Amino acid sequence: GAVVSQHPSWVICKSGTSVKIECRSLDFQATTMFWYRQFPKQSLMLMATSNEGSKATYEQGVEKDKFLINHASLTLSTLTVTSAHPEDSSFYICSAPGGLNSPLHFGNGTRLTVT
Amino acid sequence: GQQLNQSPQSMFIQEGEDVSMNCTSSSIFNTWLWYKQDPGEGPVLLIALYKAGELTSNGRLTAQFGITRKDSFLNISASIPSDVGIYFCAGALGQNFVFGPGTRLSVLP
Repeated sequence: GAVVSQHPSWVICKSGTSVKIECRSLDFQATTMFWYRQFPKQSLMLMATSNEGSKATYEQGVEKDKFLINHASLTLSTLTVTSAHPEDSSFYICSAPGGLNSPLHFGNGTRLTVT
Repeated sequence: GQQLNQSPQSMFIQEGEDVSMNCTSSSIFNTWLWYKQDPGEGPVLLIALYKAGELTSNGRLTAQFGITRKDSFLNISASIPSDVGIYFCAGALGQNFVFGPGTRLSVLP
């Protein structure tokens, strides 16, 4: 089945630094990937849609200069949290559809802690 | 924007009991999906439904795509401790996926 790999699974960084999270589709190509943020005991909040070869589409209220998304190939999307602050601490999850009209498959998430 | 209502919000059941949860929407979807999320991990797909009225099983899990295309339910039979987690429904229309707020399931031994 379709597998999405996300790395790292957890990261601790200092305020002001930047952190890059990678999302890879291992056995399929994904022209679109989705990035979610999840607060404790809450649902998935869509941050942005990553589009291969073009700019990402950000949801309302998500700062595109803060959360940089790059979809450089059909199997890799990256999310960079720039100038991280403690309020950016959260669980970030990526996902990709396995194909046209296919369900979303999720990575295992990245727990970001900003100190 | 589109929203899904998922109920119940949380539930505590005894091991061995059956569980039923549902998801409703004011909009129609072409696909209904059910996911389970364990703590600290990404959601895992349980069942995908593609046709109105479709009833699909996956082991002890059974889900149905509502005939109006605006709802879906998930049943779990004979619950076991590892069923604990958060269950999310999702409606999809093309590449637009909308998630419910989740049902938090606790199973008491």
